[in-house]
Amino acid sequence: DTAVSQTPKYLVTQMGNDKSIKCEQNLGHDTMYWYKQDSKKFLKIMFSYNNKELIINETVPNRFSPKSPDKAHLNLHINSLELGDSAVYFCASSRDGHEKLFFGSGTQLSVL
Amino acid sequence: GNSVTQMEGPVTLSEEAFLTINCTYTATGYPSLFWYVQYPGEGLQLLLKATKADDKGSNKGFEATYRKETTSFHLEKGSVQVSDSAVYFCALNWQAGTALIFGKGTTLSVSS
Repeated sequence: DTAVSQTPKYLVTQMGNDKSIKCEQNLGHDTMYWYKQDSKKFLKIMFSYNNKELIINETVPNRFSPKSPDKAHLNLHINSLELGDSAVYFCASSRDGHEKLFFGSGTQLSVL
Repeated sequence: GNSVTQMEGPVTLSEEAFLTINCTYTATGYPSLFWYVQYPGEGLQLLLKATKADDKGSNKGFEATYRKETTSFHLEKGSVQVSDSAVYFCALNWQAGTALIFGKGTTLSVSS
């Protein structure tokens, strides 16, 4: 069984559209994250949730809205997509919030 | 602020060559240090970690020693294999409840 799974793996869409990426972890972890990886492989934290509560919210446009219906899920909704949003988005989870992170395999978003 | 600096890649080696990927950090207090590896098309995986000065993390033939005096955590392997080709990320965590801070990643390409 996949520990951290995110869907879809690929997402191609037009500018201005709204899209969602889903993430689920079956590890029983309390903390989940969204990271953005740009074309140069630079990885930057976007959000972090602990037990459904937002604890980290980096400087991210408010077009990005995370939602955590329960501690096993952290979804990312993006409104009014822009060309610059094209990247690979990784979901991750951890047991205690700062040790070993488990990553999903990524969602490659392409905005045309 | 807290940050991680890695050597620029790509690093290209022949099989069985010695590998060093440099990593230095700037952080408040005494951070935990990590190396993560990203194989093509996959999410990041923890490779090794060290939580205090002079600790040595090791895994799969890779090693890194936490050097507080030089604020470094260089990754080494005595004999690389083609299967080690991946992107390697140095990271730190300076405080519980905060997200990992990653370096920009170093691409390693090993040829037979």
